[in-house]
Amino acid sequence: SAVISQKPSRDICQRGTSLTIQCQVDSQVTMMFWYRQQPGQSLTLIATANQGSEATYESGFVIDKFPISRPNLTFSTLTVSNMSPEDSSIYLCSARLAGDRGEQYFGPGTRLTVT
Amino acid sequence: AQSVTQLDSHVSVSEGTPVLLRCNYSSSYSPSLFWYVQHPNKGLQLLLKYTSAATLVKGINGFEAEFKKSETSFHLTKPSAHMSDAAEYFCVVSVGFQKLVFGTGTRLLVSP
Repeated sequence: SAVISQKPSRDICQRGTSLTIQCQVDSQVTMMFWYRQQPGQSLTLIATANQGSEATYESGFVIDKFPISRPNLTFSTLTVSNMSPEDSSIYLCSARLAGDRGEQYFGPGTRLTVT
Repeated sequence: AQSVTQLDSHVSVSEGTPVLLRCNYSSSYSPSLFWYVQHPNKGLQLLLKYTSAATLVKGINGFEAEFKKSETSFHLTKPSAHMSDAAEYFCVVSVGFQKLVFGTGTRLLVSP
């Protein structure tokens, strides 16, 4: 398995500002992902963070709004840009280990409130 | 396209009684299926996984699930509920061993 940490655990931000969330994995992983969980909802994949190249975004999510970096095999960041109250959600990072048949390990999440 | 449908948004049981959380899947090939649990203000924890080996899968905390291809189901069960089982449960399908597609979730309520 993998242990994943995220920083910050929660934040309250003003409309129009940006927040960068950090995700650290305790071992090298092949794939890292970012999800959003809106209040009372299920998880939706934002993007796959690719090491050394641009992230792959899901339909409805764009790089200008959610820029992602992945400089190495254990670390990734997600930035939520130009925030509005609709961005208030829990943002979760996950990772998949080489050889695993699809299961992912999740960080504790970052609870973001935009006022 | 791969998808999962969780048939109940809420399930209420009494402590000590059986738990059944229902999930149906749709997949064009043999899927990898998972159940995750999310306790309040906690991250997601993998309960169990099906990856085309045994159709009856045992997980943590006494949970198990049975993969039934003929019914396209992957229901989660536990013989006896505990108060600590109260949480949100997600049925999940893997897309090409890469992306995960989550069901809408089932909130399990356990009363004394």
